[in-house]
Amino acid sequence: TQLLEQSPQFLSIQEGENLTVYCNSSSVFSSLQWYRQEPGEGPVLLVTVVTGGEVKKLKRLTFQFGDARKDSSLHITAAQPGDTGLYLCAGARGAQKLVFGQGTRLTINP
Amino acid sequence: DVKVTQSSRYLVKRTGEKVFLECVQDMDHENMFWYRQDPGLGLRLIYFSYDVKMKEKGDIPEGYSVSREKKERFSLILESASTNQTSMYLCASSLKEYGYTFGSGTRLTVV
Repeated sequence: TQLLEQSPQFLSIQEGENLTVYCNSSSVFSSLQWYRQEPGEGPVLLVTVVTGGEVKKLKRLTFQFGDARKDSSLHITAAQPGDTGLYLCAGARGAQKLVFGQGTRLTINP
Repeated sequence: DVKVTQSSRYLVKRTGEKVFLECVQDMDHENMFWYRQDPGLGLRLIYFSYDVKMKEKGDIPEGYSVSREKKERFSLILESASTNQTSMYLCASSLKEYGYTFGSGTRLTVV
């Protein structure tokens, strides 16, 4: 059973467009993290959100944690080819263990 | 720069072989984890450790064991490799509740 569902699983858009990736669960998490993974490398942490309703910005990326701490979204404004990669959300379920979503593979076309 | 180093980027092993995957971190982190990553399934936790000589099963421990004799080193062992263990293996470490630092991964093929 996948505790975290990401959507869409694949997304291919043109440079300059906006996009949103969703991460949903029926479980409550103490925190939620977003990672980006490039081919042949391990995931790299982008952000951690802890408080329900929290919004964090990282340049053109905006991360939001749902009020009930069951879901999160990642919004990218004016996407660039360098944003291409696999985006993973991960929820903490106590004792520092993370459970990961299946990932969203994003391709930004020049 | 903090680092998690996995000993091999690519490995090809035969069915039935005993396989050792090594992971070393230089950040003095208490927590270390082994995941496998498969297309469409995301990352699945195999084993984790919160301290030296301590280990706990994750979601898919069958066919694997681990060893943590020193704080900086966490080894994953495939007792008798099978073709369904062909996968990308990722090691990670963390300090308490903070985010994970991952290694670059080991792509294991069992033939």
